[in-house]
Amino acid sequence: EVQLVQSGAEVKKPGESLKISCKTSGYRFTTYWIGWVRQMPGKGLEWMGVIYPRDSDTRYSPSFQGQVTISADTSISTAYLQWRSLQASDTATYYCAKLAGLETNHDAFDMWGQGTMVTVSS
Amino acid sequence: EIVLTQSPVTLSVSPGERATLSCKASQSVGTTLAWYQQKPGQAPRLLIYGASTRASNIPPRFSGSGSGTEFILTISSLQSEDFAVYYCQQYDNWSYTFGQGTKLEIK
Repeated sequence: EVQLVQSGAEVKKPGESLKISCKTSGYRFTTYWIGWVRQMPGKGLEWMGVIYPRDSDTRYSPSFQGQVTISADTSISTAYLQWRSLQASDTATYYCAKLAGLETNHDAFDMWGQGTMVTVSS
Repeated sequence: EIVLTQSPVTLSVSPGERATLSCKASQSVGTTLAWYQQKPGQAPRLLIYGASTRASNIPPRFSGSGSGTEFILTISSLQSEDFAVYYCQQYDNWSYTFGQGTKLEIK
């Protein structure tokens, strides 16, 4: 059974750093692209970026380029989303999601993590 | 970047009736279009990919159609569990943008 299990909710202050995780199981982690999606409170879905764990090829949405870092650790089948300096506007729920197609970036997100709520407040 | 516009923003339909949701792309995406359902407090769930192919375990009352710039999600006979927010998404050319969503509510 394919599973994506995300790390727990975080409460941070502006300016702090953060790294959240998405641990996967049930499929070959290195051969499927995996992405991150933001959902601000009461708002819609925004794709942030995707990574191919086999070679760490990473593509970002223009809206998030330079704002976050996406990475992956193939030894533990886990993807990460990282901020160097959080802002209040980063308050949102963040989802990881796996692309459906083997070795292709040209596909929909077929499996999703449960979401990680990040609250940034002074 | 490709913009997806969904309509209507809110759709009120009675159980047992048909619901038709629209998604229009700012430029052609071929058939690289997916639909997702999201219920409050839950992650999105993939319903349709390739514009018209149902994902695993999705009931046949959900169907997708269209190509190029205009797409439709139809739910043929609404069940109580279908009232949720629906998003379309395109996945063309290193971009995975979502529409703003349509909220399907009980009439």
